[in-house]
Amino acid sequence: EAQVTQNPRYLITVTGKKLTVTCSQNMNHEYMSWYRQDPGLGLRQIYYSMNVEVTDKGDVPEGYKVSRKEKRNFPLILESPSPNQTSLYFCASSPLAGGGKNIQYFGAGTRLSVL
Amino acid sequence: AQKITQTQPGMFVQEKEAVTLDCTYDTSDQSYGLFWYKQPSSGEMIFLIYQGSYDEQNATEGRYSLNFQKARKSANLVISASQLGDSAMYFCAMRDDTGRRALTFGSGTRLQVQP
Repeated sequence: EAQVTQNPRYLITVTGKKLTVTCSQNMNHEYMSWYRQDPGLGLRQIYYSMNVEVTDKGDVPEGYKVSRKEKRNFPLILESPSPNQTSLYFCASSPLAGGGKNIQYFGAGTRLSVL
Repeated sequence: AQKITQTQPGMFVQEKEAVTLDCTYDTSDQSYGLFWYKQPSSGEMIFLIYQGSYDEQNATEGRYSLNFQKARKSANLVISASQLGDSAMYFCAMRDDTGRRALTFGSGTRLQVQP
């Protein structure tokens, strides 16, 4: 089954304790992206990647890191989480070639609470 | 900059009736993609339908159709024969087809289907 898999689905942590949210896709997609969803602010892009070893900042990259060492994986790293990073996080992937459609498929989301 | 406006925070519809969710957009780009996503209470983001800016025909996917009026910059979602399982948040989104390929989301419409 084609899917984007995020882990963990739920996470409660404390300020300053490094954490990683994993994202993996089995569709051989070149493009991957992280978004966060906050009430009243909607979904905003954090980082994106056009292919292996190619990453760049989105709208709200502060406090986050990413890496793309393999095509299928795109982990989101919070080196020193703070309470304002409490949010619902989504990973998404899409192909880049083949015309305009290139739908972004989303993972199930990760609910993060930073105390 | 791209902007998506959804003016209906909430809507009710009777089961088996059709419903239209409004979406207007603003962009200076000539090439863009328009999407609708469904977010049920469980939180995942589910792709429903896509319309390219150069597509002359309105997109359809099963019970979903997109009423695309380019001159009016509107991309309304029509759900025919509503089902109880259609109760969810619905987001209209636009993708910039250059650069970041980020999705810009509207604020969403909460649809409740009544028996």
